[in-house]
Amino acid sequence: GAVVSQHPSWVICKSGTSVKIECRSLDFQATTMFWYRQFPKQSLMLMATSNEGSKATYEQGVEKDKFLINHASLTLSTLTVTSAHPEDSSFYICSARPPYGLAGVHDTGELFFGEGSRLTVL
Amino acid sequence: AQSVSQHNHHVILSEAASLELGCNYSYGGTVNLFWYVQYPGQHLQLLLKYFSGDPLVKGIKGFEAEFIKSKFSFNLRKPSVQWSDTAEYFCAVRGAGTASKLTFGTGTRLQVTL
Repeated sequence: GAVVSQHPSWVICKSGTSVKIECRSLDFQATTMFWYRQFPKQSLMLMATSNEGSKATYEQGVEKDKFLINHASLTLSTLTVTSAHPEDSSFYICSARPPYGLAGVHDTGELFFGEGSRLTVL
Repeated sequence: AQSVSQHNHHVILSEAASLELGCNYSYGGTVNLFWYVQYPGQHLQLLLKYFSGDPLVKGIKGFEAEFIKSKFSFNLRKPSVQWSDTAEYFCAVRGAGTASKLTFGTGTRLQVTL
């Protein structure tokens, strides 16, 4: 199956600093990637849709200036948490959808997920 | 807006017991339905999906789910669970159409005891 990888897997930072999380599609090109946030014992909440070569589309309530998304290539999207605060501590997960026909899989909307990045802001 | 509800937050079963996890959704149109599983320390991965056709879909590792349109439900079942099925299970819904977003339920933690 298609592989999506995130880096780093976990990061601890001081309040006020910025943190960048990378999401890579390793064996396919993804024009669209998705960033989710997961709080303990809660569901994955879609934060934004990352579009290669254009601006990201943010969900209601997600601060664009705080969560900067850059999708500079077909295999890489980055999420930068700017001026992080303790309430930003969470598990961030990215996902991507392979294009039609990859490995015989129809474009049925299946998303492949990264391993997630746990952010702890002190 | 679409939403997904999973009623069981934490389920504990003995090996060989039967499993059914509830999932209800709300959406005004045609939907695509998914169950994802997250084993401890691993990525989320697709367990099974329904797009159209036979409402009873079979997935990996002996799991199946039945789409009941009249009840807006897509419950996950397995006749006999194994210890290795211990994981978090997420139901997800997407309005039919590639531009639609995937909405997840809150997840059900399944713990299978020996």
